[in-house]
Amino acid sequence: QQQVKQSPQSLIVQKGGISIINCAYENTAFDYFPWYQQFPGKGPALLIAIRPDVSEKKEGRFTISFNKSAKQFSLHIMDSQPGDSATYFCAARHMNRDDKIIFGKGTRLHILP
Amino acid sequence: EADIYQTPRYLVIGTGKKITLECSQTMGHDKMYWYQQDPGMELHLIHYSYGVNSTEKGDLSSESTVSRIRTEHFPLTLESARPSHTSQYLCASSVAGNTIYFGEGSWLTVV
Repeated sequence: QQQVKQSPQSLIVQKGGISIINCAYENTAFDYFPWYQQFPGKGPALLIAIRPDVSEKKEGRFTISFNKSAKQFSLHIMDSQPGDSATYFCAARHMNRDDKIIFGKGTRLHILP
Repeated sequence: EADIYQTPRYLVIGTGKKITLECSQTMGHDKMYWYQQDPGMELHLIHYSYGVNSTEKGDLSSESTVSRIRTEHFPLTLESARPSHTSQYLCASSVAGNTIYFGEGSWLTVV
């Protein structure tokens, strides 16, 4: 049973457009929702994260929108650039199990120049 | 930037050989992890450790083994490599489970 469902699996966006990646979860005990960015040949790196007590967090061109009642959260990349082309993973952490983070299956994002 | 190092970065080895992938972190993190990932694909947790002398199997069954004798060191060993073990192996660490810091990965090819 997949605890964090991520979509789409792949996404192509024109330069300057908005990239949107969605994630959904079932377990209401999750209390921390990070997004990781991975470039080819590199390990994933934390991009931005949110806790369920806020509905939105913005860092530069990257925004997380969080809908607690729907148990959904999404990553928005504004003014997408070719350098944003990477694989993005959403994730969730259980409040009582801080040793493990559950990752989504990833979204391959390609920004057309 | 995270201080977590993996060696070797790339390894091509014959079937049946024993290999050890090294992972070291200088951040003093108690928790360390090994993930297996095919290029651009899902991250599969194969081992994790809460601290020295603590190791647990992850969500994906793996024939590899790990040890944690020192806080900073978490090596992964395959006693007899097979072509099915060809993959990227990512080591990671965290403190309090908030942010996981990943190494750059070890690419293993078994021929």
